[in-house]
Amino acid sequence: EAGVAQSPRYKIIEKRQSVAFWCNPISGHATLYWYQQILGQGPKLLIQFQNNGVVDDSQLPKDRFSAERLKGVDSTLKIQPAKLEDSAVYLCASSLGGGRGTDTQYFGPGTRLTVL
Amino acid sequence: AQSVSQHNHHVILSEAASLELGCNYSYGGTVNLFWYVQYPGQHLQLLLKYFSGDPLVKGIKGFEAEFIKSKFSFNLRKPSVQWSDTAEYFCAVNRRNTGFQKLVFGTGTRLLVSP
Repeated sequence: EAGVAQSPRYKIIEKRQSVAFWCNPISGHATLYWYQQILGQGPKLLIQFQNNGVVDDSQLPKDRFSAERLKGVDSTLKIQPAKLEDSAVYLCASSLGGGRGTDTQYFGPGTRLTVL
Repeated sequence: AQSVSQHNHHVILSEAASLELGCNYSYGGTVNLFWYVQYPGQHLQLLLKYFSGDPLVKGIKGFEAEFIKSKFSFNLRKPSVQWSDTAEYFCAVNRRNTGFQKLVFGTGTRLLVSP
């Protein structure tokens, strides 16, 4: 079974530039997650989609971050404009979405973003 | 708000030593508990999870974890570690029976096993 795919794997930009990350979840997985993992910390949920609807974006800095999941499959996460503190690994994960919080989440390799 | 504490940030062990990594959470309701692992150069992957029933849960590669409700703890154990267990380990918690499954992770414990 193919895993969660992400691209690019690495990105270096200057502050105030924009950047976009792409994620393709495991086929058939209804739930898609974007996490931010700052060095030395655990992953922090930014946004969660159930099919193509947002179910939680409470920790997404909406003045600069946006995400969409068109057609309930692929997703993109955008940062515009980037700040130095956005340097992190951005992880995408997916799960079947069976409810009750018991799903196993399958993670992609992540995109390491460096903002200079 | 939920929080997860992992007390040991770095652990160094020799092969065959026993391992116990601590995890405590702050939420008082019914929870689901997970341990995820990230081996060098690999993706985060599930090690084991607990929802209900026997509080001693067995996972892959000989790992187990015990849920102690009175202590809000879910410690990870392995009787005899191997060099291949070198990795970063994350404890995670979410609420059960809610409309969505926001997972809260601890800060992680880096384990180095020397041969």
